[in-house]
Amino acid sequence: EADIYQTPRYLVIGTGKKITLECSQTMGHDKMYWYQQDPGMELHLIHYSYGVNSTEKGDLSSESTVSRIRTEHFPLTLESARPSHTSQYLCASSGQGLETQYFGPGTRLLVL
Amino acid sequence: KNQVEQSPQSLIILEGKNCTLQCNYTVSPFSNLRWYKQDTGRGPVSLTIMTFSENTKSNGRYTATLDADTKQSSLHITASQLSDSASYICVVADRGSTLGRLYFGRGTQLTVWP
Repeated sequence: EADIYQTPRYLVIGTGKKITLECSQTMGHDKMYWYQQDPGMELHLIHYSYGVNSTEKGDLSSESTVSRIRTEHFPLTLESARPSHTSQYLCASSGQGLETQYFGPGTRLLVL
Repeated sequence: KNQVEQSPQSLIILEGKNCTLQCNYTVSPFSNLRWYKQDTGRGPVSLTIMTFSENTKSNGRYTATLDADTKQSSLHITASQLSDSASYICVVADRGSTLGRLYFGRGTQLTVWP
């Protein structure tokens, strides 16, 4: 069982609200990732981090932002949620080399 | 264009039967190929990782094969159980960046019936 946690698991929110999705891991991994996944579709990388104070945008354009102030914590923020942001957001982390990515349980976001 | 294609899109089998899932990729330069299992409403869980030099790797009832020449991989599930019902995702990593860019397939949705 991977030690990577996401909260909340489910979130229903109105348009225009600011939200922060939390992700934390206790494995001491330097690399962390955020993916977006729609039902029946592949995962798309939206943000990643090599370590503290390092953040990069992924392949899928996203209006969200991330921060990495502590190794174990990688929160994702949407300043103004829109219905197009409705999706599942998965956080992952990995160690060095070919180490597998460990995924959190995901946050299902519904923006009304 | 780097892509990962999986087939079939969905599959229904009876408990106890075997099945094989396919993955074709065009990712280059190739680094490694991973198979993940994703239960409904959960994050993916790694089953196997194979590098260029590995042809087969097993994890319990799961056996993955890799043909790097034809850029094909398969995941064979033996003696299926109800708990095998999930989406199985093929993921290919390239060597073109420090991050080890991952390319995800859309998954094969497997349903095991009693």
